[in-house]
Amino acid sequence: QVLLVQSGAEVKKPGASVKVSCKTSGYTYNNYYMHWVRQAPGQGLEWMGVINLSDGNTVYAQRFRGRVTMTRDTSTTTVHMELSSLRSEDMAVYFCARGEGSSWLMDYWGQGTLVTVSS
Amino acid sequence: SYELTQPPSVSVSPGQTARIPCSGDSLPKEYAYWYQLKPGQAPVVMIYKDNERPSGIPERFSGSRSGTTVTLTISGVQAEDEADYFCQSADISGTYPVFGGGTKLTVV
Repeated sequence: QVLLVQSGAEVKKPGASVKVSCKTSGYTYNNYYMHWVRQAPGQGLEWMGVINLSDGNTVYAQRFRGRVTMTRDTSTTTVHMELSSLRSEDMAVYFCARGEGSSWLMDYWGQGTLVTVSS
Repeated sequence: SYELTQPPSVSVSPGQTARIPCSGDSLPKEYAYWYQLKPGQAPVVMIYKDNERPSGIPERFSGSRSGTTVTLTISGVQAEDEADYFCQSADISGTYPVFGGGTKLTVV
């Protein structure tokens, strides 16, 4: 059974950084990618970037370049997403989503992590 | 704005057919995917590669495409289908994934 379990809700001040974790299990970790997608209140889904779990290579959406870092820990089959210089517009639910290499399908998702940005 | 366009809302009565369109210039070149999102839950894939249904997804969910528009059809809508539905594809150059703005399905 494929499971993606994310870390708990975070409250951060403007200008701070947040690191969200996604613990995976139930499949061969290295054979897949991990996307990060967020949903701001009342808004749609927004793709942030993707990390290749085999080699750690990343591709970030242009609007997040310079602020987002995605990493993986193969020993714990966990993926991390860190977003820096937080502003109020970054308040959202952040999802990790497993991707395959041959298409843009995101077939399994984490439960989401609410990040609140407030002074 | 979103690269894929969906209506903000669709309302149907139980047992009726709901159709949720999604349009975008990249759609003739790229596969489309549909996700169901309920509050507090992880999104679920309902349709992949335009019209394929994952195991465990009810047969009343189907996908189709015509030109620059793909459509999620739910036949015989049930109360449990009330949720937000998002289409997803890739940008016109196939470089990154894009989502529609989402459609709230209300079963009245």
